[in-house]
Amino acid sequence: DSGVTQTPKHLITATGQRVTLRCSPRSGDLSVYWYQQSLDQGLQFLIQYYNGEERAKGNILERFSAQQFPDLHSELNLSSLELGDSALYFCASSPGTGRRQYGYTFGSGTRLTVV
Amino acid sequence: GDSVTQMEGPVTLSEEAFLTINCTYTATGYPSLFWYVQYPGEGLQLLLKATKADDKGSNKGFEATYRKETTSFHLEKGSVQVSDSAVYFCALSGNSGYALNFGKGTSLLVTP
Repeated sequence: DSGVTQTPKHLITATGQRVTLRCSPRSGDLSVYWYQQSLDQGLQFLIQYYNGEERAKGNILERFSAQQFPDLHSELNLSSLELGDSALYFCASSPGTGRRQYGYTFGSGTRLTVV
Repeated sequence: GDSVTQMEGPVTLSEEAFLTINCTYTATGYPSLFWYVQYPGEGLQLLLKATKADDKGSNKGFEATYRKETTSFHLEKGSVQVSDSAVYFCALSGNSGYALNFGKGTSLLVTP
């Protein structure tokens, strides 16, 4: 157990629908990162939150949004889902933020299948 | 922008063979470099890291040295085991943002 909890582990939904993925960071970590892993694109950084505020954005679609709550858990919302959104979505956490990273702790991921 | 290039897999080795997985990077300044490992059905785990030139990261028999002159961070292990079968990701944290940039991953299969 890495200390980063992601729910649900698996999700199957239809095109056009909306889903919410949840992440609880490791105790004491203030930063949460979301990544999408697919076979053709590899690991793509989506977005980072630090202590409740958005800190960095990567290749996140406009149909996707995220937030980090006062208790530091984070949710990734995916709407108007398309078949191509099927992927593994990982959450990671780290103690702080800044250029000298000391490595992230990853959750075990949510596998999203859009049918 | 920052980027990481890893050798393509899959890599298949016999138990006790020597392992090298190549990783080169493009970044301005002095990035921090990482190797992560992903076992089947699991998330990524930090394997080792190096934060400045000539640093050597090591863990569980794996080693990688931060070579700024060749912009490389190759992963090595002297004697692989079946339990090392996994996907290995090279990553960097550079000046272009706070998030880690990952390579595409190299799948390793070790046979008995």
